[in-house]
Amino acid sequence: AQKVTQAQTEISVVEKEDVTLDCVYETRDTTYYLFWYKQPPSGELVFLIRRNSFDEQNEISGRYSWNFQKSTSSFNFTITASQVVDSAVYFCALSLNDMRFGAGTRLTVKP
Amino acid sequence: DAGVTQSPTHLIKTRGQQVTLRCSPKSGHDTVSWYQQALGQGPQFIFQYYEEEERQRGNFPDRFSGHQFPNYSSELNVNALLLGDSALYLCASSLRGRGTGANVLTFGAGSRLTVL
Repeated sequence: AQKVTQAQTEISVVEKEDVTLDCVYETRDTTYYLFWYKQPPSGELVFLIRRNSFDEQNEISGRYSWNFQKSTSSFNFTITASQVVDSAVYFCALSLNDMRFGAGTRLTVKP
Repeated sequence: DAGVTQSPTHLIKTRGQQVTLRCSPKSGHDTVSWYQQALGQGPQFIFQYYEEEERQRGNFPDRFSGHQFPNYSSELNVNALLLGDSALYLCASSLRGRGTGANVLTFGAGSRLTVL
């Protein structure tokens, strides 16, 4: 089975706060890829990051960072010093032969 | 460099009708995937086309069918529309490469279908 769970439906923070979006996945395969996408109100999903199952190294890109832990089947996403422009729905996805998404977390950053 | 383009952007149909949605992939991409996104939900995988054939399919009934043309563009057809088919339909393209799982999908803005 291929499944992604994003337990946080909605998160609201005040600008400059740090926020972590959780993602837990399930698969029996040893080779897989994990993704995060951002969906702004315009509707178009925007690619943020890809990780393969053999690379557990954490990654930082500006204010964004990702923590991949195979032991807990988690791939969490942290935004440091959040900004109003970060407001969007964020999706975690698991890809074997095709990409399957979680239900998403709606992040609202208030000024 | 145009990204993924979808048409129409919005449409309204009634139950029982048929609908065709169109997608032009990003330049250089050869694989097209279709997703259904109901309000407040994550995108659900419908199917994927490569070399004009359906390669992968999600858990959708046969009322959902598709086609890919030699220029890599694609259509999604839905027959006998139900109220529950109301959703945002997203097209995504990619370059198949060696392994489909690794492919980064580039998404269009979607076609919002309302079934009355």
